[in-house]
Amino acid sequence: ETGVTQTPRHLVMGMTNKKSLKCEQHLGHNAMYWYKQSAKKPLELMFVYNFKEQTENNSVPSRFSPECPNSSHLFLHLHTLQPEDSALYLCASSQELDTQYFGPGTRLTVL
Amino acid sequence: EDQVTQSPEALRLQEGESSSLNCSYTVSGLRGLFWYRQDPGKGPEFLFTLYSAGEEKEKERLKATLTKKESFLHITAPKPEDSATYLCAVTGTASKLTFGTGTRLQVTL
Repeated sequence: ETGVTQTPRHLVMGMTNKKSLKCEQHLGHNAMYWYKQSAKKPLELMFVYNFKEQTENNSVPSRFSPECPNSSHLFLHLHTLQPEDSALYLCASSQELDTQYFGPGTRLTVL
Repeated sequence: EDQVTQSPEALRLQEGESSSLNCSYTVSGLRGLFWYRQDPGKGPEFLFTLYSAGEEKEKERLKATLTKKESFLHITAPKPEDSATYLCAVTGTASKLTFGTGTRLQVTL
């Protein structure tokens, strides 16, 4: 595997479910990010981890919970989501907060 | 607050018809301006990073330029496979990447 991978690629969940998104980077980077992309809106930064420490939480609701066990893996735990949370969730990584490289994304649908 | 405005919102070109996409920005202490290409349902694919006014970078049919207020992505003799959404983003002293809404490019035969 090369670059940044994300699983699953598609996820449909009910509002009462709990699920997790996974991201893995194979680039040797030390920073990882979660973004939300909704139709006709700019990418919205959700969380930043630099050397496994969370350095930014962009006023994200607590129903989204990130976890970064090491510099190669990043998770986004989801619970009691709302239909307006349906979007493409993108993971990215970078070295020293420089150019970010993105994964293919997880298309999330909340029913 | 950093801001990025991209124009036009959508652009339709015939194959071989060259054009330019615009990215206007305001940022506190520019550290980098980035161009990405995004295909439907996929993650953004990195194209270029520009660090200072006057800098230019090229890759195949694409050329990115940067001034103190805007960046242009020039597309020379485009092909249908260049059809995608092109995203511009900036990072300033806050070290946070701020994106524009993108230009959706369609190249027809």
